[in-house]
Amino acid sequence: DTEVTQTPKHLVMGMTNKKSLKCEQHMGHRAMYWYKQKAKKPPELMFVYSYEKLSINESVPSRFSPECPNSSLLNLHLHALQPEDSALYLCASSQNNNEQFFGPGTRLTVL
Amino acid sequence: GENVEQHPSTLSVQEGDSAVIKCTYSDSASNYFPWYKQELGKRPQLIIDIRSNVGEKKDQRIAVTLNKTAKHFSLHITETQPEDSAVYFCAAESPNTGFQKLVFGTGTRLLVSP
Repeated sequence: DTEVTQTPKHLVMGMTNKKSLKCEQHMGHRAMYWYKQKAKKPPELMFVYSYEKLSINESVPSRFSPECPNSSLLNLHLHALQPEDSALYLCASSQNNNEQFFGPGTRLTVL
Repeated sequence: GENVEQHPSTLSVQEGDSAVIKCTYSDSASNYFPWYKQELGKRPQLIIDIRSNVGEKKDQRIAVTLNKTAKHFSLHITETQPEDSAVYFCAAESPNTGFQKLVFGTGTRLLVSP
């Protein structure tokens, strides 16, 4: 299996909702990443997990809460989001500092 | 921290022409430079990468050159085809152990007309 999968594909939520984005890979990669991508912009790094430990938090607001339950799974818990948080959320994985493989993303709309 | 600039922001070519996209980076410690292609509504996909111990790498119609002294690297696509139309992002990696920290350029929208 050489793919990163993400669910759901699309998500619409209100500002008071709590939701979670999920990411999974079975390539044995030990580094996993969350990115946010706005329209016509590059991916912007949010979090990095290395060997299931949070290694980087790029000053992301606490309404975004990452979780790495095991080496294959990465979650992003969302709570009290703002409309400006609407974006494509991409998950990626890599084996150490080699090529990053991206998932298809979750397109999030916050009403 | 690392800063990556990318030019041009848009590039229109005729099918069969060559296309060149250029990036500069600021951190001389960066040692890995990938190029990603992102089609509309799709995920970014790696098309070629280069590490700082080589100056050029080629894969069929795609090549990347790296000038460490000047801190710039370029993507060259020859014999362009309509399916090359996409947004291309360069990136540079700040050295880390066990993972990559990529900083992306702002992207180049390439349009190849038949």
